[in-house]
Amino acid sequence: QQQVKQSPQSLIVQKGGIPIINCAYENTAFDYFPWYQQFPGKGPALLIAIRPDVSEKKEGRFTISFNKSAKQFSLHIMDSQPGDSATYFCAASIGETSGSRLTFGEGTQLTVNP
Amino acid sequence: DSGVTQTPKHLITATGQRVTLRCSPRSGDLSVYWYQQSLDQGLQFLIQYYNGEERAKGNILERFSAQQFPDLHSELNLSSLELGDSALYFCASSVGVSPLHFGNGTRLTVT
Repeated sequence: QQQVKQSPQSLIVQKGGIPIINCAYENTAFDYFPWYQQFPGKGPALLIAIRPDVSEKKEGRFTISFNKSAKQFSLHIMDSQPGDSATYFCAASIGETSGSRLTFGEGTQLTVNP
Repeated sequence: DSGVTQTPKHLITATGQRVTLRCSPRSGDLSVYWYQQSLDQGLQFLIQYYNGEERAKGNILERFSAQQFPDLHSELNLSSLELGDSALYFCASSVGVSPLHFGNGTRLTVT
């Protein structure tokens, strides 16, 4: 019940395309859903996060869509660039305080071709 | 730069050995988390410390242990190492409602 399922495992798009990465969770107690971006040789870095009281959150070219009833959320990257090529992880936790811990999805390796 | 420092960056050791991984959290962060990243298991939560006390435990093996010192740095000790322990080990820190900030990891190779 603590799992977060992420798909696809890998994704290749052309520059300007809109890659979409999907995640699904089971634990209805989860109430904080961040996305992390990881470049080779680096640690994951927070990209954008959402709470379940909103259905969409947008920050720059990155948008999270959240469907509470379906227990699914997704990341959309508008006007994707080669520099967006990285591994993306969705995650979930109960609370976002320092008492919480993240359960990560399996990761999606995104390649944006020029 | 996340402000979280992990040393060493790379570690190569033999089966049966013991190693210590070190993490210095961001200034002011009281919580330290350890995660293991492997190809087949993804990012797995190992353990969390808050201001020197163990706060939560995840999928941490009994051969592994951690501690957080009064200056808030943390160490992850891995003993009786097996080939399957080869992975990237990440430390992250946070305080209050801040998101987790990850270090760049220690790549452990067990031969």
